[in-house]
Amino acid sequence: GAVVSQHPSRVICKSGTSVKIECRSLDFQATTMFWYRQFPKQSLMLMATSNEGSKATYEQGVEKDKFLINHASLTLSTLTVTSAHPEDSSFYICSANRQASTDTQYFGPGTRLTVL
Amino acid sequence: AQSVAQPEDQVNVAEGNPLTVKCTYSVSGNPYLFWYVQYPNRGLQFLLKYITGDNLVKGSYGFEAEFNKSQTSFHLKKPSALVSDSALYFCAVRDIGSNDYKLSFGAGTTVTVRA
Repeated sequence: GAVVSQHPSRVICKSGTSVKIECRSLDFQATTMFWYRQFPKQSLMLMATSNEGSKATYEQGVEKDKFLINHASLTLSTLTVTSAHPEDSSFYICSANRQASTDTQYFGPGTRLTVL
Repeated sequence: AQSVAQPEDQVNVAEGNPLTVKCTYSVSGNPYLFWYVQYPNRGLQFLLKYITGDNLVKGSYGFEAEFNKSQTSFHLKKPSALVSDSALYFCAVRDIGSNDYKLSFGAGTTVTVRA
């Protein structure tokens, strides 16, 4: 159990377009999901915390109007990169807590975004 | 405040030899501690965690870690490394007293196991 999926796994888009990334918990309900960004050979940078039915909480320095997060159900959170630019190219990873009391975050396989 | 340090960027071992990946942490209260492994272009896979109880925690793929409160450490170990253990390893911590469930990750340690 505790499987998290992401779609798409890879996406290439033109500068100025918007891209939506989906994160799903397949076999459990996730009241909290997290979105991270990872640069090559670097650690994960937390972008935002997504709670079902409420607005996401963004980390300092992350533009909430550029990185739109929606947590519509207990199994789905989406990250939309609006008006993407080449500097937004990165590896985006989501995670989900299965149970808040154990705090184990289970991670999706990641999405490689390339903006031309 | 919470943070994790992984002092080694890289660890190289021969297959069959013991593997140790170091991690020290800092939290205001008591910690939840985690180890994750990442293969190229993949997400993080959960290996093991310390929440409470026995200081020696056993996890997936033969890995274990020992929680040492006095040294604020949570080193990952495997008695006999395999070539397939070559990957990027992350230690993470969360303060039990924190209510936002955020994890703080170390910078990662690249493990290379040579045949």
